Amino acid sequence: QVQLVQSGAEVKEPGASAKVSCVASESSFNGYIIHWVRQAPGQGLEWMGWINPNNGGTHCAQKFRDRVTMNRDTSISTAYMELSRLRSDDTAVYYCAKEEGAFDIWGQGTIVTVSS
Amino acid sequence: QAGLTQPPSVSKDLRQTATLTCTGSTNDVGYQGAAWLQQHQGHPPKLLSYRDNNRPSGISERFSASRSRNTASLTITGLQPEDEADYYCSAWDNTLGAWLFGGGTKLTVL
Repeated sequence: QVQLVQSGAEVKEPGASAKVSCVASESSFNGYIIHWVRQAPGQGLEWMGWINPNNGGTHCAQKFRDRVTMNRDTSISTAYMELSRLRSDDTAVYYCAKEEGAFDIWGQGTIVTVSS
Repeated sequence: QAGLTQPPSVSKDLRQTATLTCTGSTNDVGYQGAAWLQQHQGHPPKLLSYRDNNRPSGISERFSASRSRNTASLTITGLQPEDEADYYCSAWDNTLGAWLFGGGTKLTVL
């Protein structure tokens, strides 16, 4: 079964950018949508957007459209999500999730802490 | 108002049945149904069902989902201690063009 392995925790200052990677363990990377979902401490899940690794097409929640960049490198089965102009309320665990039916397979999560 | 509504908490006795609800609208739950996810503290969510009652392989038959118009339900039979977790519903909102999550229900198994 495919696994998604994410990059390690990051600490960023307000105004900086954070880039999270998500590596798929099998060659079917191109076949499924990859979603990005975040979870602030003690809070629920928040969908940020998705990328289609096959063609690089993306779709972002309106809330994040001016701050999120999603792309991928198919040669290394990796998806990326970069969040710019970080604020303290962006402190959260960021997950990638592969869609077969819905959010089928999840990465382990990447903690991004925004603090001065 | 956009959004999926879940009760914040549900408590049930061991080996009993719990039914969790998720109320949306014709634009989301009523459009393509809902997915249900389980999350234990400190772990990523786990998909339990999608588009109403499609279970991924490996998910116990104790978990079953259904929908009545704009309200989705997740029924968990024979509650076990390991079922104690947060449960989230999710649905695609066709007008917003976005996936929505409910606020989550914390299930306590007594």
